[in-house]
Amino acid sequence: QQQVKQSPQSLIVQKGGISIINCAYENTAFDYFPWYQQFPGKGPALLIAIRPDVSEKKEGRFTISFNKSAKQFSLHIMDSQPGDSATYFCAASGGSQGNLIFGKGTKLSVKP
Amino acid sequence: NAGVTQTPKFRILKIGQSMTLQCAQDMNHNYMYWYRQDPGMGLKLIYYSVGAGITDKGEVPNGYNVSRSTTEDFPLRLELAAPSQTSVYFCASSSIGQGAMRAFFGQGTRLTVV
Repeated sequence: QQQVKQSPQSLIVQKGGISIINCAYENTAFDYFPWYQQFPGKGPALLIAIRPDVSEKKEGRFTISFNKSAKQFSLHIMDSQPGDSATYFCAASGGSQGNLIFGKGTKLSVKP
Repeated sequence: NAGVTQTPKFRILKIGQSMTLQCAQDMNHNYMYWYRQDPGMGLKLIYYSVGAGITDKGEVPNGYNVSRSTTEDFPLRLELAAPSQTSVYFCASSSIGQGAMRAFFGQGTRLTVV
């Protein structure tokens, strides 16, 4: 059973555009929702994270929007740059599930 | 700062061979994890450890074993390698004391079983 569903699988955006990646979760006990960024040949690295007591968190060009009632959260990348081209993973943890549960990832390509 | 170090980076195994993937962290983290990453499938947890001497199964433990004799090291053992174990393996560590499950990942080991 997939506990964190991520979409789309791949995304192509023009430079300067907005990239949006969505995730949905099932376990209401989850209380920590991070996004990881992975470049080819590298391990994932934490990009930004949110807890369910806030609806939005912004760090530079990256914003997480969180909808607790819908059990959904999304990553917005403003003014997307070619250097943002990477695979992005959403994840969740909390409750009895202390480990991170990852979505399947979104491969983002930002075209110059 | 080294962070999480994995060795080797690449390895080709023949079916039925065994090997150990090494993982070491220098951040004094209590929690350590092994994930495998297959194309389009995200990261799946193989085993994890909440401290020295304590290990537990994740989502996909079959065909693997782990041990945690020290805080720093968390090796993953593959016995009787099978083609289904061809994957990229990532070791990670975290400290729940930081208030969140922020995991730091190693660079990965790309394993091919032929």
